[in-house]
Amino acid sequence: GAGVSQSPSNKVTEKGKDVELRCDPISGHTALYWYRQSLGQGLEFLIYFQGNSAPDKSGLPSDRFSAERTGGSVSTLTIQRTQQEDSAVYLCASSLDRAGYEQFFGPGTRLTVL
Amino acid sequence: GQQLNQNPQSMFIQEGEDVSMNCTSSSIFNTWLWYKQDPGEGPVLLIALYKAGELTSNGRLTAQFGITRKDSFLNISASIPSDVGIYFCAGQPLQGAQKLVFGQGTRLTINP
Repeated sequence: GAGVSQSPSNKVTEKGKDVELRCDPISGHTALYWYRQSLGQGLEFLIYFQGNSAPDKSGLPSDRFSAERTGGSVSTLTIQRTQQEDSAVYLCASSLDRAGYEQFFGPGTRLTVL
Repeated sequence: GQQLNQNPQSMFIQEGEDVSMNCTSSSIFNTWLWYKQDPGEGPVLLIALYKAGELTSNGRLTAQFGITRKDSFLNISASIPSDVGIYFCAGQPLQGAQKLVFGQGTRLTINP
């Protein structure tokens, strides 16, 4: 019954390493979104999953970014060969089916690339 | 692409004062939402607006969906310390309706 959860809450990595960020959406929510929030900025859309449909990847900034959603629930955002400009808070949100506008956010993962 | 211009970017007020912020766009949106983000947390939905001209209240918060569907405002009355945070507007565009477009946020600071 809890809200959206994300792990880890903080991740520090070295430039060039790969990282995986996890999101557990609210049970029953079929839509899942990933956003990136740089320091002092708004939310930048990355990718959207809806049920079994092909994901909308139009916001992914480069081919180093990818995401999966297994079993229609948990999602993993992977960043390969991390760069310093990837440092940001990565937020996950979920929503019921067509009510995509009422998105519920997790606490985010703060990624720092050294 | 669609962009939301949110103003002001920051506000410094005294406790008890009223607050007003707005979002504008050159594009039409189907839905307007207002979120609040506390430090270290994800944004939390405050108010959702679904119809042009709609005025909705949630406690001390009042928001309106502009009649042109290109703007929205959020008012907070009698501010209290826990109102501190970043307020984001978000709009559901006509195209790509499942994706929200977010404003840059208004950072609210309250002096006791």
